[in-house]
Amino acid sequence: SQQGEEDPQALSIQEGENATMNCSYKTSINNLQWYRQNSGRGLVHLILIRSNEREKHSGRLRVTLDTSKKSSSLLITASRAADTASYFCATDSSNTGKLIFGQGTTLQVKP
Amino acid sequence: GAVVSQHPSRVICKSGTSVKIECRSLDFQATTMFWYRQFPKQSLMLMATSNEGSKATYEQGVEKDKFLINHASLTLSTLTVTSAHPEDSSFYICSARDQQATGRAKNIQYFGAGTRLSVL
Repeated sequence: SQQGEEDPQALSIQEGENATMNCSYKTSINNLQWYRQNSGRGLVHLILIRSNEREKHSGRLRVTLDTSKKSSSLLITASRAADTASYFCATDSSNTGKLIFGQGTTLQVKP
Repeated sequence: GAVVSQHPSRVICKSGTSVKIECRSLDFQATTMFWYRQFPKQSLMLMATSNEGSKATYEQGVEKDKFLINHASLTLSTLTVTSAHPEDSSFYICSARDQQATGRAKNIQYFGAGTRLSVL
């Protein structure tokens, strides 16, 4: 089952620009996580935000969470060609480790 | 960070054969591992939760007799696709979290590199 939608499905920007991806979910959560996937590979954890947090930063990444709207956003600042990948949000509603993934956003950063 | 090893990375097999995929946590123990399936350009669909020493928990719509899961130790879970058919062709990915991690880290999932299964 899928939690919800990610928006946009695809994003193409120039190197140096910022990229913003949005995620919506349906149920209450304990935390929301963002993962990155390079083509044909496994996923890499980027950042976790708890349900009682509104914003988290990690390097060039900034994540926001609005539990009233059941939505989150991931901002990548000063993008690089190496940021080209698919980005997924995932929600953890039970603290069992079971994650439900969003549809994903495919980001292309042109050099 | 913690490492999850998944093997093989690619399998091509004939219809009707069974395929086993291994998922190992290399530097941590995991009583629970997760198996996902991913179709091209789509998201990950959770198939089942693998529980060490007990039966796996399957998601709705996933055939447990088709996708056999064994979690015999704290570092190894296997997924066997039995009597594979072309419609089983997909990308299978496992994940685990470090049960001894604390704080925020205990919720982080570590993923294997995935197994691409092609059934002819």
